[in-house]
Order: sequence, then C-alpha cells, then structure tokens
Amino acid sequence: NAGVTQTPKFQVLKTGQSMTLQCAQDMNHNSMYWYRQDPGMGLRLIYYSASEGTTDKGEVPNGYNVSRLNKREFSLRLESAAPSQTSVYFCASSEGPAGAQDTQYFGPGTRLTVL
Amino acid sequence: AQSVTQLDSQVPVFEEAPVELRCNYSSSVSVYLFWYVQYPNQGLQLLLKYLSGSTLVESINGFEAEFNKSQTSFHLRKPSVHISDTAEYFCAVYGGSQGNLIFGKGTKLSVKP
Repeated sequence: NAGVTQTPKFQVLKTGQSMTLQCAQDMNHNSMYWYRQDPGMGLRLIYYSASEGTTDKGEVPNGYNVSRLNKREFSLRLESAAPSQTSVYFCASSEGPAGAQDTQYFGPGTRLTVL
Repeated sequence: AQSVTQLDSQVPVFEEAPVELRCNYSSSVSVYLFWYVQYPNQGLQLLLKYLSGSTLVESINGFEAEFNKSQTSFHLRKPSVHISDTAEYFCAVYGGSQGNLIFGKGTKLSVKP
C-alpha cells in the first residue's frame, strides 16, 4: 500500500515549456487535491476533484489545468510555465466527497523550478 | 471566510523542554481543525485533529492540542520535545464546500541538543 505517489520528484523547466505532474493513490479515495507550497505561504489549493470525472478550481488555479483520469489518478498540467510557478507541488487525497471532514493524505511532493 | 494564523514562524527549543506552537483561526462555519507535520523533504502527515467532542486531542507521539472556542485557538503543545520533533508544523481549518484545508503559514520547530 503505497498511499499517494507523485512523479517526478524534481523538475527544472525553462519559461514557456509545458509539463504534467502525475499523482496516483491506491486507497480507493473519492477526492483528490493539488496544492502548492511556497516559503512563508503555507499550502494553497490549486484544483480539486470531488469524484472521478469532476474537477473544480481552488484558490490559485491560473496557469494550471487538471485531469481526473480515473479514480486513482489526478494530473496537473502547466501549459506554459512561468517563474512564478516555481514551487513545491503536493497532491492529496481523502476518502469522502469534498465537503466531508476527512483526513487528507499527502504525497511526497514535486519540487519544480522554472528558469 | 476561513483563515488560520500561526503566530510564530520559527520556534527554537532545547531538547526535553516544553513547547507550544500557537494557532488562531477564524471560521464562519462549523470548526474542524487539524495539525499537520512536515519532516524535511517529505510530504505532510496528520498529527491530530479536532472534529467534535472532547476539546483536548492527543497524538500518538506525545503532542496535544486544545480547541478553545472563546479564544478561537488551537495551540499545539508537548511537555518534553525530542530532536526527532524537528520539523515544520502546519495548523489548518476545514475550508467548507470545497473540502479543502486552509493552512497557516507554518511554524518551524528546531530542537537543539
């Protein structure tokens, strides 16, 4: 039981390049989330998915797109990376639907640098 | 709107000393509160949570937090810290309809021998 896994662990991009961050969970959770963590800012929600086939914007969605490929996988795409997107990205999942006060389980993070 | 304020960005303490990490929240909905811990180069792990019932909640590694509605606080305490407690601690409040967590900016606990 691996929990929440993320790939890659590290990535360096040039401004304007695109990439997709992958996330998968093996806990049969309904809800999945993407957060970004910046120094002194805590974690901020980018997008979330309450169930397979649904996605919604969070606090800081600009510059990102997401896909809930199936119940297990939730990917985050940067179409045209900008230096302001340099951050650590965390995927999380929780058992219940969005709106339930379930514990969220976090992946190990992807450290992204945009030059 | 919900928000969380962690009053200290860094807390240095000596091993075996007591520690308190402060957290205040504001919420217009039912209050559900969490403390997460992030060890260096790792993801976040749930330390403890308050959903309802007893206002004092405990973790398995000796931390405890008390929900104080009148002071809108959820401070984290440990009577005697270890070197291994060195980490960043995040207080969070349940955000409501989105199901997400609203996080504070974090407190870095540094335990020195």
